[in-house]
Parts: sequence; C-alpha cells; structure tokens
Amino acid sequence: GAGVSQSPSNKVTEKGKDVELRCDPISGHTALYWYRQRLGQGLEFLIYFQGNSAPDKSGLPSDRFSAERTGESVSTLTIQRTQQEDSAVYLCASSFSANYGYTFGSGTRLTVV
Amino acid sequence: GENVEQHPSTLSVQEGDSAVIKCTYSDSASNYFPWYKQELGKRPQLIIDIRSNVGEKKDQRIAVTLNKTAKHFSLHITETQPEDSAVYFCAGTDSSYKLIFGSGTRLLVRP
Repeated sequence: GAGVSQSPSNKVTEKGKDVELRCDPISGHTALYWYRQRLGQGLEFLIYFQGNSAPDKSGLPSDRFSAERTGESVSTLTIQRTQQEDSAVYLCASSFSANYGYTFGSGTRLTVV
Repeated sequence: GENVEQHPSTLSVQEGDSAVIKCTYSDSASNYFPWYKQELGKRPQLIIDIRSNVGEKKDQRIAVTLNKTAKHFSLHITETQPEDSAVYFCAGTDSSYKLIFGSGTRLLVRP
C-alpha cells in the first residue's frame, strides 16, 4: 500500500486480557519499528526489525510485551495480561532501510479499563 | 546509548515571527537527524532531515543546522503561520541505527 497501515485504530480491553496489534509496512521497507506514545508524551522505543537480523528488543518494558515480523512484511505486537499503564497509542513505522527516515502509521489507541 | 535532549518544551510565537527549537545528542557516532511534526491526534510526519556530512539544509520556511563538534542541531521556522502549531520532535540515531527521539516541543503560533 501507499502508507503504513495499522489495525485496529482503537482497542478497548479489560485489564488482564491479551491484545494483538497489527502493522503492515510500506512495501519494500526492510526496517520496521514499534513505539509507544502516552497521552501528551514523547515517543518511547519498543522494538525494531531490520531484514533478517535478530530484532532489537531493548525497549520492551516487560516480558508481557512481544512482537513478531514475517519476513519483510506484517508485524504484530502482543501485550499479555494488559495493565492500565499499558494505555497509550502504539505507533508502527517503517523505513527503506536502517538510518533512513521513518513513515509512521496512524497508530492503535489502546485503552485498558 | 544515545540520549537526545530537546528545548524548549513549549514555545509561543506571534504569527510571522521565527521559531527555533534546539536539540543535543550524546553519541558522537550518530549521523542522521530528522525532525518530525505531530499535529493533535495525528501521526508524526517527517518534515526535514540532515546527515552528519552536511551543516545546514533548507526547505522553504524551514531549515536545520548541525554542529557536530558541539553535538547539537536546531530547527528554524521562519514567517510562522498558525498551521505550524504542533508538537515537534527531533531525533538522532543510536548504534543500531534506530531513532531516539527528544521529548518534544509544543509550538503555538498566535494569530
């Protein structure tokens, strides 16, 4: 597609449930990133995939968070046993390669009640 | 690892005036510095970027300058307009080439 596509755009879940967020990057972009943005806050790095290299998971806040990417295609971010502090907008971005500018998706707004 | 600091956190200017936002970075190997604009409720969008082999880059009313020795870079917006009102984020790359973002500057352009 023409841009980075994320789904769902909004997700309300009960505390303790698992959620799965999806990101479809721009075709041909080898690098894919997940960031978290709490209300009124900055962009917090979560995880980064570059081609076939092992992902950089250094930003994942706990073992409840995990992500996968199929080749150079779709990625899913999974949050297990959600907590209220997980409420945020989860932004996915892709880039042509590492060290290039990102194109962001419109994000998934997650609300844990 | 890379750390990017951004100032000011908020900036209010009169329409037509210039606005300057400054960032410093810690990793001397960092070599790519983009700026993103995020309007309320929207995704961040790349507005300009600069690589470490260039000292200045301009695109119409916006410009970015880079001082590698001092490890700081700045965004300059001239002839500001109300539609420039947004949050601006600077970023630098770390050793794995992912972006580390500054904390953001909320720019308000008063009509």
